Amino acid sequence: GQNIDQPTEMTATEGAIVQINCTYQTSGFNGLFWYQQHAGEAPTFLSYNVLDGLEEKGRFSSFLSRSKGYSYLLLKELQMKDSASYLCAVRDIGRNYGQNFVFGPGTRLSVLP
Amino acid sequence: GAGVSQSPSNKVTEKGKDVELRCDPISGHTALYWYRQSLGQGLEFLIYFQGNSAPDKSGLPSDRFSAERTGGSVSTLTIQRTQQEDSAVYLCASSKNPLAEPKETQYFGPGTRLLVL
Repeated sequence: GQNIDQPTEMTATEGAIVQINCTYQTSGFNGLFWYQQHAGEAPTFLSYNVLDGLEEKGRFSSFLSRSKGYSYLLLKELQMKDSASYLCAVRDIGRNYGQNFVFGPGTRLSVLP
Repeated sequence: GAGVSQSPSNKVTEKGKDVELRCDPISGHTALYWYRQSLGQGLEFLIYFQGNSAPDKSGLPSDRFSAERTGGSVSTLTIQRTQQEDSAVYLCASSKNPLAEPKETQYFGPGTRLLVL
């Protein structure tokens, strides 16, 4: 994931709002995904953006700006169970075919009571 | 089962031994990926299969690593002469053909935790 950057760790309080940023560089952008990964478990799909703007899904929203190579995941009304790593992944069709799905390093979010 | 399954869930082996990791993708998914995830790190791409096409092996870290996919379904990742640095979680994911359905996400299996002593 050398072309995708995310903060390593974030901390927030239960009930608050947190924004996790992701910046990327691609030669052929074709979609951005966010995944949630609890410790010791596999990543699970949260959201997908391919056009600029905000996609809302319950407490989670994801935003994309293709011109800026930027996305964020917004988590509202934080709950303790939201403590997990959040992975940003970009589909880059300019890469070797199999590597066209590139993951960032992940942001480890800790929700405190 | 409805999801991606992997076996074994945990594997402890001695340095120098060979190991085989298995992935059973979601039925009907033509794309299959193998990733490696070291503790606290992101996902490292290893290999990709799509239908009957030649696999993309560009992520395999050395010639000790190989993978095959039989009948377009089950895949096996083999690591020969294991080294301690091979210790990691090996994740398998499957999806529909990303060329035909780019919005389609990958579905991950639970992973195999490999420890090389």
